Amino acid sequence: DIQMTQSPSSLSASVGDTVTITCRASQDIRNDLNWYQQKPGKAPKRLIYATSSLQSGVPSRFSGSGSGTQFTLTISSLQPEDFATYYCLQHKTYPLTFGGGTKVEIK
Amino acid sequence: QVQLQESGPGLVKPSQTLSLTCTVSGGSINSDGYYWNWIRQHPGKGLEWFGYIYYSGSTYYNPSLKSRVTFSVDTSKNQFSLMLTSVTAADTAVYYCARDYYGSGKFDPWGQGTLVTVSS
Repeated sequence: DIQMTQSPSSLSASVGDTVTITCRASQDIRNDLNWYQQKPGKAPKRLIYATSSLQSGVPSRFSGSGSGTQFTLTISSLQPEDFATYYCLQHKTYPLTFGGGTKVEIK
Repeated sequence: QVQLQESGPGLVKPSQTLSLTCTVSGGSINSDGYYWNWIRQHPGKGLEWFGYIYYSGSTYYNPSLKSRVTFSVDTSKNQFSLMLTSVTAADTAVYYCARDYYGSGKFDPWGQGTLVTVSS
């Protein structure tokens, strides 16, 4: 299985900050990486697919980049509604595997 | 728009079989290209993908769970189901169903999730 390692596992930030979350794959996954946001008690919501393509309706302050084994999710000008847990998911190879998650908390 | 809803017992005894159904509304489970998935999340933990079933009945099971998992689909009821045998406390989790397109990992929509507790 492809292992997906996210870092950090949690971070504290203030409204207006820019935060960056990293996801590392144990092998080359090209750009077959998606990002999800999950709020407490809710199902995950798709944010970004194919590394950098924004899901319709997702604010442009979210962006993704990377390729191969290193990927990043950047949230510019953090908003109150962005405090959540974020997961990466690789879909290059079955079984699909998620990263362990990054919890973004209010400082 | 398509909506998914999980249903099933919230409490299962150890060694028994966990059975959940996902009902698809607002669209047809027979739609070409859409895979119907199961994903779970242990309390306070990350996400684990079980696999998918296609309306034709073809399946993929995550090897980590393959020996205990069976998916089925009932196109007449627009439902698909999960069976997980020989459950233990480690199977206590929120179980989600979700749709994606051709295994792209673009899960959307998701069901709201259902908590299944394994306990005697």
